[in-house]
Amino acid sequence: AQKVTQAQTEISVVEKEDVTLDCVYETRDTTYYLFWYKQPPSGELVFLIRRNSFDEQNEISGRYSWNFQKSTSSFNFTITASQVVDSAVYFCALSAISGGYNKLIFGAGTRLAVHP
Amino acid sequence: NAGVTQTPKFRVLKTGQSMTLLCAQDMNHEYMYWYRQDPGMGLRLIHYSVGEGTTAKGEVPDGYNVSRLKKQNFLLGLESAAPSQTSVYFCASSLIARTSTDTQYFGPGTRLTVL
Repeated sequence: AQKVTQAQTEISVVEKEDVTLDCVYETRDTTYYLFWYKQPPSGELVFLIRRNSFDEQNEISGRYSWNFQKSTSSFNFTITASQVVDSAVYFCALSAISGGYNKLIFGAGTRLAVHP
Repeated sequence: NAGVTQTPKFRVLKTGQSMTLLCAQDMNHEYMYWYRQDPGMGLRLIHYSVGEGTTAKGEVPDGYNVSRLKKQNFLLGLESAAPSQTSVYFCASSLIARTSTDTQYFGPGTRLTVL
């Protein structure tokens, strides 16, 4: 079965702290993609990153970085020097072909609160 | 380029009433999806469409119907609303979906309350 687990329900940090959001996935597919989405208080879902199963290089985008480790089936997301605007719910998702279409399986989300 | 839009943004229904949620995308995407988001459960797929005139069931399809008469529009219908359908509904679209490479882009959501 395919599954995404985000064990941290809520995280609270003070501005400028670094924070890591954990994501563990399960799949039997050899080809799959992993995603992170951000849902700010306004409610929309914002795409952050897509990573394929063959590329284990870490990726950095400004204050955001992602650590993909196939050996532990994890795709963790780190925010460096967090800011109040980072406060949101963050979803990790796994994508694989199922029944002929691109099925996206979401974790339950991690709510991040960054306090001034 | 508006991306994915949804109407309405908010709606309150009484049990047994019907309604239709409209999703529109202007990115010429082939695939469209309807999800519901409930607290602590992430997003779950209700129905999806692989192209104009075709629809299929997702993970939680009961109580919902969909139609894709035009490529750019995907409608979600509730024939007889129930309190269990109180949720936030998201529409998404992706260019293709024959491989797992494509990114799904989401609309702003519709918050539905059924009393």
